[in-house]
Amino acid sequence: DIQMAQSPSSLSASIGDRVTITCRASQDLKTSLAWYQQIPGKAPKLLIYAVSRLESGVPSRFSGSGSGPNYTLTISSLQPEDFATYYCQHYYTAPRSFGQGTKVEVK
Amino acid sequence: EVNLLESGGGLEQPGGSLRLSCVASGFTFSRYAMSWVRQTPGKGLEWVSVVSSTGEYTNYADSVKGRFTISRDNSRNTLDLQMNSLRVDDTAIYYCARDPGGYIPRYYFDHWGQGMLVTVSS
Repeated sequence: DIQMAQSPSSLSASIGDRVTITCRASQDLKTSLAWYQQIPGKAPKLLIYAVSRLESGVPSRFSGSGSGPNYTLTISSLQPEDFATYYCQHYYTAPRSFGQGTKVEVK
Repeated sequence: EVNLLESGGGLEQPGGSLRLSCVASGFTFSRYAMSWVRQTPGKGLEWVSVVSSTGEYTNYADSVKGRFTISRDNSRNTLDLQMNSLRVDDTAIYYCARDPGGYIPRYYFDHWGQGMLVTVSS
């Protein structure tokens, strides 16, 4: 099974900060990696798929990058609505799995 | 606007059964694969099952294989999950989720329902 190590587990940041979240896979995922945002009490929302493709309607301050096995989600300028938990997910092969999440909190 | 509305959750005893349903609207349901994904505080997000757009292909996580059955009715825009032989560790919020793949699922999820709590406890 592919293991997904997401870091950090939490971080504190201020409005306008550049935020970077990392997901390290136990093997190369090629382009089969997605990122989701989850606000408490809500369902996850797809932000990025295929490592770097921005989902329709997602603000351009979100970006994804990386190559096997290290992948990154970057928020270029943190906005109030971005305080949430972020998850990576690989869909390269079975079993497809999620990272444990990174909670972005107000500094 | 894509909308996915789950129903059917609740409290059930270990060994019992529950059936979850998801009604889809705002898109051509028959063109997309559909999945169930669950979430617990301890284990996080876990993909449970997928069904292809036509219903011909299904797949399950090892943790539910042989106990859960996914199905869909494209004439009624509905997705179901029949859950039998429930265990305490099946307790979770269950989400209905759209997969951008069709006949061949992609296994990532571009729209999610609001979630339905399933509690398995004696």
